[in-house]
Amino acid sequence: GENVEQHPSTLSVQEGDSAVIKCTYSDSASNYFPWYKQELGKGPQLIIDIRSNVGEKKDQRIAVTLNKTAKHFSLHITETQPEDSAVYFCAATGSDKIIFGKGTRLHILP
Amino acid sequence: GAVVSQHPSWVICKSGTSVKIECRSLDFQATTMFWYRQFPKQSLMLMATSNEGSKATYEQGVEKDKFLINHASLTLSTLTVTSAHPEDSSFYICSYNRLAETQETQYFGPGTRLLVL
Repeated sequence: GENVEQHPSTLSVQEGDSAVIKCTYSDSASNYFPWYKQELGKGPQLIIDIRSNVGEKKDQRIAVTLNKTAKHFSLHITETQPEDSAVYFCAATGSDKIIFGKGTRLHILP
Repeated sequence: GAVVSQHPSWVICKSGTSVKIECRSLDFQATTMFWYRQFPKQSLMLMATSNEGSKATYEQGVEKDKFLINHASLTLSTLTVTSAHPEDSSFYICSYNRLAETQETQYFGPGTRLLVL
């Protein structure tokens, strides 16, 4: 069935450094790839998304890249700050459902 | 952006009781919304898709008689956990689909933490 793999499961980076989270998907029909940030005890919040007709999208310190041929998409956070510490989920719309990755717990070290 | 609210934000109940969780979209109307369950340190697991005015569609392994969903209006859906047991303790999150540009985007509620004693 449709699947989304997300790596790493845990990531620790020094404050100010960059963080990269990678996802792969299996359904070649997927055409929309959102990223969600979930802070402890809260619901996921959409932070950035990318459509299949675009290879890269940037919003301030956050960027997402998409390689449809390889079925890869990645989240890049630059100049990380303490408030970036959270769990990040990638997702892909496969057929009529949204499939989530298992999440990456990002720790920003002081 | 879209705003989705859930009530209550957390609830503790005794085993065997029923708990109702409300999900509201505050600034738009949606015909479709989703209920997810999230266990600690795990991803969101879709429980059911709720369509306004019709029966919800449940995912495999989710008991429809245990998790009653009512989508009575375009801005309100409810999830009732009937005869709750400790294994039902979880974080329940609703989301609405909204058409943004040419693609539907999901907006999540803040979640409801259920603890069954």
